[in-house]
Amino acid sequence: AQKITQTQPGMFVQEKEAVTLDCTYDTSDPSYGLFWYKQPSSGEMIFLIYQGSYDQQNATEGRYSLNFQKARKSANLVISASQLGDSAMYFCAMRANDYKLSFGAGTTVTVRA
Amino acid sequence: EPEVTQTPSHQVTQMGQEVILRCVPISNHLYFYWYRQILGQKVEFLVSFYNNEISEKSEIFDDQFSVERPDGSNFTLKIRSTKLEDSAMYFCASSEGSYTDTQYFGPGTRLTVL
Repeated sequence: AQKITQTQPGMFVQEKEAVTLDCTYDTSDPSYGLFWYKQPSSGEMIFLIYQGSYDQQNATEGRYSLNFQKARKSANLVISASQLGDSAMYFCAMRANDYKLSFGAGTTVTVRA
Repeated sequence: EPEVTQTPSHQVTQMGQEVILRCVPISNHLYFYWYRQILGQKVEFLVSFYNNEISEKSEIFDDQFSVERPDGSNFTLKIRSTKLEDSAMYFCASSEGSYTDTQYFGPGTRLTVL
């Protein structure tokens, strides 16, 4: 079974600064995918970034980057140059040798002006 | 850009009533999913669907739930006799393939059971 842990229930960040959201995972499958989703207050789930377990390089997508440390089983999301619109709940999720995404509990990010 | 759509955005029903939540997945996607999120809690997997049959389901997905792809575009979740604890946001998602392919989510249907 897969398990995702997000230990930070909430974080504050100043506008234009960077923020790192922690995510650790546990799986016995050698092949898996790690995902981050953003959930604004309106409720939709927006895909941000993906990292495959065999990818050699850390994934980047605009202001989002994933700090993937396979040996530590961590997949932290870094949001650079934070904007007010980044205020939302962020979920880390994993998918291994089955169909479902397993989600962490989420981290609420509040960007301050 | 193609997206997953869901209707209705909000459904209010009485306990014991049947509800059908509708989804239109992205057109070239082959795998379809339902998740739910009880207010303030994490997103939970309900069921996955491929090639017109259920490929995986969670323990939440009991006999009260069913899924169907009635035509080439719609994907539905039916709850036969709703309970108070079924109140949640229900998300439909789709992916091109399985395993590491990205699942794209719809905007959700907020179900309120009174």
